[in-house]
Amino acid sequence: EDQVTQSPEALRLQEGESSSLNCSYTVSGLRGLFWYRQDPGKGPEFLFTLYSAGEEKEKERLKATLTKKESFLHITAPKPEDSATYLCAVQTSRGNTGNQFYFGTGTSLTVIP
Amino acid sequence: DTEVTQTPKHLVMGMTNKKSLKCEQHMGHRAMYWYKQKAKKPPELMFVYSYEKLSINESVPSRFSPECPNSSLLNLHLHALQPEDSALYLCASRQGFVRSPLHFGNGTRLTVT
Repeated sequence: EDQVTQSPEALRLQEGESSSLNCSYTVSGLRGLFWYRQDPGKGPEFLFTLYSAGEEKEKERLKATLTKKESFLHITAPKPEDSATYLCAVQTSRGNTGNQFYFGTGTSLTVIP
Repeated sequence: DTEVTQTPKHLVMGMTNKKSLKCEQHMGHRAMYWYKQKAKKPPELMFVYSYEKLSINESVPSRFSPECPNSSLLNLHLHALQPEDSALYLCASRQGFVRSPLHFGNGTRLTVT
């Protein structure tokens, strides 16, 4: 059965304190792994797409990496405005449509000034 | 601002009411999605339309009825809902090629009384 697990569930960081969020997955036919940021009461905002082991993507203070079994979202010198829930999602080929996207449980990040 | 527009933003309905949620995108995306999200939980896939045809129904109760009138519009018709159906309903769209990400609207906050 396809599974996507994120850890930790919640993370509190001091401003400037770098850390990493983890997304572990067990899926059949991974087509892509996606990172999203979600603010309270809003829809998820797309950050990155990864699809081959060893791939890395960067945007401002965020860097996403991918291995065969997990992905990391590294946050360097975070600021309070980085506080949000970070979700990873996997796209699978189950059902041969490639249209399924399943989300992990998310990591709630709080950055304290 | 998101390019996927959902209306209404908030909806309160009784268990005997019939209402509809609407979603619109003008990005030329050919796949459209409904997700349901409960508080502090990840989005759960409900329905997927691909090229205006229903391609995935994740065993959603029949009191939820999706409709895709054209490639830009997606509706979710609601009838005889239960209080446990209260949630944030998110619409998303994506281009048809593999690994294209989902783009979300900001959702409709539904409360069933």
